[in-house]
Amino acid sequence: GESVGLHLPTLSVQEGDNSIINCAYSNSASDYFIWYKQESGKGPQFIIDIRSNMDKRQGQRVTVLLNKTVKHLSLQIAATQPGDSAVYFCAEIGGSNYKLTFGKGTLLTVNP
Amino acid sequence: IAGITQAPTSQILAAGRRMTLRCTQDMRHNAMYWYRQDLGLGLRLIHYSNTAGTTGKGEVPDGYSVSRANTDDFPLTLASAVPSQTSVYFCASATGTVSYNEQFFGPGTRLTVL
Repeated sequence: GESVGLHLPTLSVQEGDNSIINCAYSNSASDYFIWYKQESGKGPQFIIDIRSNMDKRQGQRVTVLLNKTVKHLSLQIAATQPGDSAVYFCAEIGGSNYKLTFGKGTLLTVNP
Repeated sequence: IAGITQAPTSQILAAGRRMTLRCTQDMRHNAMYWYRQDLGLGLRLIHYSNTAGTTGKGEVPDGYSVSRANTDDFPLTLASAVPSQTSVYFCASATGTVSYNEQFFGPGTRLTVL
């Protein structure tokens, strides 16, 4: 079946560096993608989203890039801070059911 | 404004027992969802409700039931718990389902079935 997956399960960066978290998806019908951040012991928190008719969207310190040709999604975090340490999930919505399918997550660790 | 709350925070349950996980939101959101989160498997949808009075099955509905008697509450019931239902359960809500709306998640319930 269709699935959303992540290339790397863990990522360790130095404080102040930029972080890039990648995600591959296989459902070509997906028309909406979302990145969530989940801190230890908490529920997922929305970070940024992007529609399939866009290839880039920027937020505060975060940028999401979408490459539909290779079905790849990435989350870039600028000037990574210790508070960015968390598990990051990409999720997709495809078709008409408007329900999220989550990837397995990437653990980001920011070293001071 | 509390947003979305879940109870209990955690629970240890004997296999075969019945358990209801509670979820309440005060945002007047139409859509509500239950997910389970297991290490290495991400979040998987159990059941959902697009509006009060309606429910639907998600990816992993077996062993679970839900009801949506009103807008605010969406309880998840395990009729006869089994160890494979040990997981962290998250409830979420969204304003609607006609098009994508951001889902807001509760703090989760950690359930252990022995």
